[in-house]
Amino acid sequence: EVQLVESGGGLVKPGGSLRLSCAASGFTFSSYSMNWVRQAPGKGLEWVSSISSSSSYIYYADSVKGRFTISRDNAKNSLYLQMNSLRAEDTAVYYCARVAYCGGDCLSQFDYWGQGTLVTVSS
Amino acid sequence: DIQMTQSLSTLSASVGDRVTITCRASQSISSWLAWYQQKPGKAPKLLIYKASSLESGVPSRFSGSGSGTEFTLTISSLQPDDFATYYCQQYNSYSWTFGQGTKVEIK
Repeated sequence: EVQLVESGGGLVKPGGSLRLSCAASGFTFSSYSMNWVRQAPGKGLEWVSSISSSSSYIYYADSVKGRFTISRDNAKNSLYLQMNSLRAEDTAVYYCARVAYCGGDCLSQFDYWGQGTLVTVSS
Repeated sequence: DIQMTQSLSTLSASVGDRVTITCRASQSISSWLAWYQQKPGKAPKLLIYKASSLESGVPSRFSGSGSGTEFTLTISSLQPDDFATYYCQQYNSYSWTFGQGTKVEIK
């Protein structure tokens, strides 16, 4: 069974940093691209960042570029999001999501999602 | 970036109704569109991919259609479990974008 379990969320002051983790199991993690998607309270879904299976390709939304860093450790079946210079508008539930297999590092839908971890940026 | 627009933010319907949710892309995305269902406090669930392909395990009352810039998600006969928020998502470019969501509520 595919499982994605996020952790690392919490309360942080504006300007602070936080590192999110996503532990994957039930599939060959190293074969899949992964993403972070966030959802502010009462709002819609916003794609944050994507990383290819071997970390060769990395993409960010403009709203987080230069502040957030996505990474992965295929030996540990884990995905990470380092968030620096946090702002109030970064407050959201952060989900990790798997890109459905498409034969390589290609564009595809998100077929599995974790349960999310809440990040609150407030003084 | 490609913008995705869902024309209705809320839709009121009754059990048994046929429901159609629309999504428009700001430029052609071919058929690279997915639909997700989200219930309060839960993660999104994939329903439809490549505009019209039904994800495994999803009831056949859900269907998708469209290509280019205009897309629809149809629920043929609304069930109590279907009251939720639905999002479209384009994956035509390496800047995935979602529609703002359409909440299907009980009439």
